[in-house]
Amino acid sequence: GQNIDQPTEMTATEGAIVQINCTYQTSGFNGLFWYQQHAGEAPTFLSYNVLDGLEEKGRFSSFLSRSKGYSYLLLKELQMKDSASYLCAALDSNYQLIWGAGTKLIIKP
Amino acid sequence: ETGVTQTPRHLVMGMTNKKSLKCEQHLGHNAMYWYKQSAKKPLELMFVYSLEERVENNSVPSRFSPECPNSSHLFLHLHTLQPEDSALYLCASSQQLESYNEQFFGPGTRLTVL
Repeated sequence: GQNIDQPTEMTATEGAIVQINCTYQTSGFNGLFWYQQHAGEAPTFLSYNVLDGLEEKGRFSSFLSRSKGYSYLLLKELQMKDSASYLCAALDSNYQLIWGAGTKLIIKP
Repeated sequence: ETGVTQTPRHLVMGMTNKKSLKCEQHLGHNAMYWYKQSAKKPLELMFVYSLEERVENNSVPSRFSPECPNSSHLFLHLHTLQPEDSALYLCASSQQLESYNEQFFGPGTRLTVL
């Protein structure tokens, strides 16, 4: 079957760095997405990786290893507004998104 | 308005009621989606429309009935729901189906079935 695993909850300190991991098993693979969802709001797109390696976008970076079925989202210089759920989703061979349950990130002062 | 809008934002209904959720996208996209989001569970894809034609129905009970009158509007008609149907219902759109295009989400309708 198809599956996405990510931690349920993580806690980090303002100003620090946090890495949210995601492992996936899909029928074929056409890339991996990360979305951010604040409580009571719509998920919003953060990143898309289809090739191995690290892609950096300001304070956020996303990494992909296709051979390991693994991705992570790296958040630097954490701010209180980064408290949110982070959703990992893999695109399978039929271009269907397989979603993880999300990681709730709690930022403490 | 820009992006994807959904109405109502909150809905409380009894099991015998009939209601409809509305979604509108102002992005000129060709694909639209309905998702169900329950606490601590992955997003569940319910229905997919591409150019107003339904292309996906993921074994959703018939008490949920989608309608896509044009490429900008999507409805989800609800009748005789069960308490376990209480969840956040999200609408999304993307430029094309079957591509790597990101999906743009609406704010959702928080549904409570009594």
